[in-house]
Amino acid sequence: QKEVEQNSGPLSVPEGAIASLNCTYSDRGSQSFFWYRQYSGKSPELIMFIYSNGDKEDGRFTAQLNKASQYVSLLIRDSQPSDSATYLCAVRERARGSARQLTFGSGTQLTVLP
Amino acid sequence: GAVVSQHPSRVICKSGTSVKIECRSLDFQATTMFWYRQFPKQSLMLMATSNEGSKATYEQGVEKDKFLINHASLTLSTLTVTSAHPEDSSFYICSARPSSGGGTSPLHFGNGTRLTVT
Repeated sequence: QKEVEQNSGPLSVPEGAIASLNCTYSDRGSQSFFWYRQYSGKSPELIMFIYSNGDKEDGRFTAQLNKASQYVSLLIRDSQPSDSATYLCAVRERARGSARQLTFGSGTQLTVLP
Repeated sequence: GAVVSQHPSRVICKSGTSVKIECRSLDFQATTMFWYRQFPKQSLMLMATSNEGSKATYEQGVEKDKFLINHASLTLSTLTVTSAHPEDSSFYICSARPSSGGGTSPLHFGNGTRLTVT
């Protein structure tokens, strides 16, 4: 079983719609959760991070975390063609020292249709 | 925000030669940096964890003698691909997290290095 799972997509939504990206993780002790966006041929860029159960909003982006169900999601409101990219979910497991790396999901490819 | 600079962005080399990639944290100190590799259409694969002043920790299946990592200061880590072969052609990305940020702070990525071995 993969530690961090995402639907690879591709996910297509029309411009202006809400895009919903989901991620599940296996380690119940995970503490930190991150969403990165990666354009083709570029390195990932951080969109949001969330540590506590519930919703966290930043502009058009909302991250949702449910530790009991072990899932984290990213909602993109008013989707724009420029949001078309691969979205990577990353999870940091329970602290085992400061060097604990992130575990990445395989990414969901999102296409926003004009 | 935290900036990670990676150089070069693109390199083409001949088979058998070595290539050095630099990763610098520009406005923060990073005790630990991470090196990832990404093949087309695939996700990031962690290669190794670079630790300032000590040996790097390599992931299973990554040859430490082929991928030499040096983390000589709190702001610089280098990855040297030795005796490169065409199968080493990939997108190499470094990342770092501020040492002062604790275990919950996010990783910041460099812009990546596209390595092509001919």
